[in-house]
Order: sequence, then C-alpha cells, then structure tokens
Amino acid sequence: KNEVEQSPQNLTAQEGEFITINCSYSVGISALHWLQQHPGGGIVSLFMLSSGKKKHGRLIATINIQEKHSSLHITASHPRDSAVYICAVTNTGNQFYFGTGTSLTVIP
Amino acid sequence: ETGVTQSPTHLIKTRGQQVTLRCSSQSGHNTVSWYQQALGQGPQFIFQYYREEENGRGNFPPRFSGLQFPNYSSELNVNALELDDSALYLCASSLNNPGANVLTFGAGSRLTVL
Repeated sequence: KNEVEQSPQNLTAQEGEFITINCSYSVGISALHWLQQHPGGGIVSLFMLSSGKKKHGRLIATINIQEKHSSLHITASHPRDSAVYICAVTNTGNQFYFGTGTSLTVIP
Repeated sequence: ETGVTQSPTHLIKTRGQQVTLRCSSQSGHNTVSWYQQALGQGPQFIFQYYREEENGRGNFPPRFSGLQFPNYSSELNVNALELDDSALYLCASSLNNPGANVLTFGAGSRLTVL
C-alpha cells in the first residue's frame, strides 16, 4: 500500500465544471503539497499546506489532519487546466512521499 | 531570481555504466532533493541534502548517491546502471524549514539505459 493515495486516477471534465481531486495519506506529516505536472515533465508547486484551506485563483486546497485527507478543487475548469495533479507529503524526517497523480483532461 | 536548472536534459547510457546528473538550486534555497519518475508513475523520493549532508533518504540502493556543494548545487550519481533506472530524474530545491518547504522543481533529466 502506498503512503499517499489519490483518486481518481483519470478524470475528464467539460469546460466550466467544478473538479475535485482527493488525496489520502497514512504517515504523520509536516506538510502536504499539491503539484501540477504538464506533458514533458515540468512540475509546478501549487500549494503547500499543513492545516485548513488555501485559495489561489480558481484553485482551492483543503486538508483535514485528523482524517489524513486533502482535496484539490478547481472551479470553472478550463482546457489549460489539463495536466497531471500530484499530491505529496513531507514527514517529520524530511522524507517525501508522492501519489501517482490524477490525470485531468478538460474538454472545450 | 533564477529557477532550478538541471543538466543534461537527455542522455543515453548502457547497462553497467555510471551517470552523473547535475542540479543548480534556486537562488536563496539551501536544500535540494532528488526524485525518480518512471513513465506513467508519480515521482519517487531518492534523497535530500542540506548543508552538504544527506538528511533524508527514500528506498533506493546505495548505488544511488549524491553530493551537495557549498553553493547548494547538487549531483546525483548512479553506478552500475540497470535497465529499470530509465526514468525522468527531477531535482527540487527549497528552504530547510519544515513549515515552509515549498518546492521548486527543475525540468528534469531523462535517462535511458539500454
């Protein structure tokens, strides 16, 4: 069993739809990261959070420490949001654990 | 402010050879971490360096080793290459602050082992 599990693995949405990607983890963490990876490999850090909720533009990330669960929401999705979204956690020993990613395709 | 740069971007090696990948950290960052990403998979944490010392390691054998230099740049060395080592190798830099370790990733080095 992986330390970080994401769902769904693949997601196709129509432009404008509200999207949710879920992440569950099984280790004690100091922080949780949401990352975006476009074809070709480049990874961009979207959020780092250890409690509560963060918002940046149309993206919202939430975390529930007690339930060891985080969600990434995209409002009013757009084709340029198409990418792989990866959840990663950092434990107190400075080790990183990554989910396998959610591949999102937004259709115009 | 410069980002994280990695070199080379692509390389091909044969089984048994050794490879060195390089990473220059983002300005102001003192911590560098390395990841292996096989095709269709999420990244796997290899190790992290802070102040030229390894301070975190994933489940990789000793033939994966690294260095961090005083200017915070880093190298990943892989000895006795195996076919399964073919992957995208990503480097990320950050500040060594567990509450604020936002990662900045390089574009990666794609290694093919034949």
